Amino acid sequence: AQTVTQSQPEMSVQEAETVTLSCTYDTSENNYYLFWYKQPPSRQMILVIRQEAYKQQNATENRFSVNFQKAAKSFSLKISDSQLGDTAMYFCAFMKLHPPFYFGSGTKLNVKP
Amino acid sequence: DGGITQSPKYLFRKEGQNVTLSCEQNLNHDAMYWYRQDPGQGLRLIYYSQIVNDFQKGDIAEGYSVSREKKESFPLTVTSAQKNPTAFYLCASSLLPGQGAASGRADTQYFGPGTRLTVL
Repeated sequence: AQTVTQSQPEMSVQEAETVTLSCTYDTSENNYYLFWYKQPPSRQMILVIRQEAYKQQNATENRFSVNFQKAAKSFSLKISDSQLGDTAMYFCAFMKLHPPFYFGSGTKLNVKP
Repeated sequence: DGGITQSPKYLFRKEGQNVTLSCEQNLNHDAMYWYRQDPGQGLRLIYYSQIVNDFQKGDIAEGYSVSREKKESFPLTVTSAQKNPTAFYLCASSLLPGQGAASGRADTQYFGPGTRLTVL
């Protein structure tokens, strides 16, 4: 079975600063996909960033970037220049080359003014 | 407008009653999923389906049932056998590997807005 672990239940960051959310996973697969989803207070799940395991280059989407360490099975999310709108639950997720998806328990991020 | 709709947004149920949550998508996705989310918790998979008339149990299928008679629709029934059904329910869909990319990437899930179910 695949497992996804987010060891930080809650984090806080000052507006405009940088914060890193941790995620580790366990799998015997060599090819797979990793994701970070954001769930704001509206509870709508929003895809933040995705990474394909066969790509060595870390994915980047504007202020969001990942540090993908395949050997360590680690997939952390870095948010630069944090904004108040980044306040949300963040979920790390894993998928082999086919469904289903596996989600971590989430990290609640508070961005303080 | 392409997307996933869930209805109703809020649902109240008396103990002992079955209720059905609706999920419809017009993204032409083959795969659909149901998740349960409890306060402050992550998403737990209830059922998923990769093709019409076929579905697989997730981690917490007991007390739930689904059907997949049409590609666009994947309703979830919460039965009276589900002992603690009060929760937030999310439906999602995705392409399968090998499908075209017109409505998204094969490896990405798209979520509906959710249904909040409360048992009175």
